[in-house]
Amino acid sequence: GAVVSQHPSRVICKSGTSVKIECRSLDFQATTMFWYRQFPKQSLMLMATSNEGSKATYEQGVEKDKFLINHASLTLSTLTVTSAHPEDSSFYICSARLEQRNTGELFFGEGSRLTVL
Amino acid sequence: GQQLNQSPQSMFIQEGEDVSMNCTSSSIFNTWLWYKQDPGEGPVLLIALYKAGELTSNGRLTAQFGITRKDSFLNISASIPSDVGIYFCAGTRGGGNKLTFGTGTQLKVEL
Repeated sequence: GAVVSQHPSRVICKSGTSVKIECRSLDFQATTMFWYRQFPKQSLMLMATSNEGSKATYEQGVEKDKFLINHASLTLSTLTVTSAHPEDSSFYICSARLEQRNTGELFFGEGSRLTVL
Repeated sequence: GQQLNQSPQSMFIQEGEDVSMNCTSSSIFNTWLWYKQDPGEGPVLLIALYKAGELTSNGRLTAQFGITRKDSFLNISASIPSDVGIYFCAGTRGGGNKLTFGTGTQLKVEL
């Protein structure tokens, strides 16, 4: 299947700092990428839809000023957790679909585990 | 938001046994997908279903898109230790492209 890669896979930061997570589609272009968050032993919850060249669309309850999303190219979306706090500690996963196939299949990155001390 | 309910929540089976899990919703879904997630990794797509009644296999895995479009099941035949993990159903509704995930079924295989 299509390859989606995230970086970093793990990050530990101090409370109050900002952390950037990158999501790349390695062998295809993606005008739309999706960011999910997963807490331990829970399911994946959609945070926002990242749109290339335009503003991201955030799900209800997700603070857009807290979770900044930039989709500057067809192969890269970034999620920045600003002024991180311990409650932001989670597993963040991005995904994209092969738009030329026009199917609902989403391919996921490896995930990035954020720990805020 | 809309949630997909999976059952069982977890299961502990013997190697070689067949496994069955299902996913239900109170709403109609247009697409059903099944993913497997290993600890510390992103989900990996196993099977995708696009039509009501569709039955699709991928090796030892078989999944079906329910006739009512409100449910789906996944079967794993002759389980092996590497089948251990969390299985998620997911679906899309209406004309949207957002994927809603189920609550997950954790599978543990005893040698």
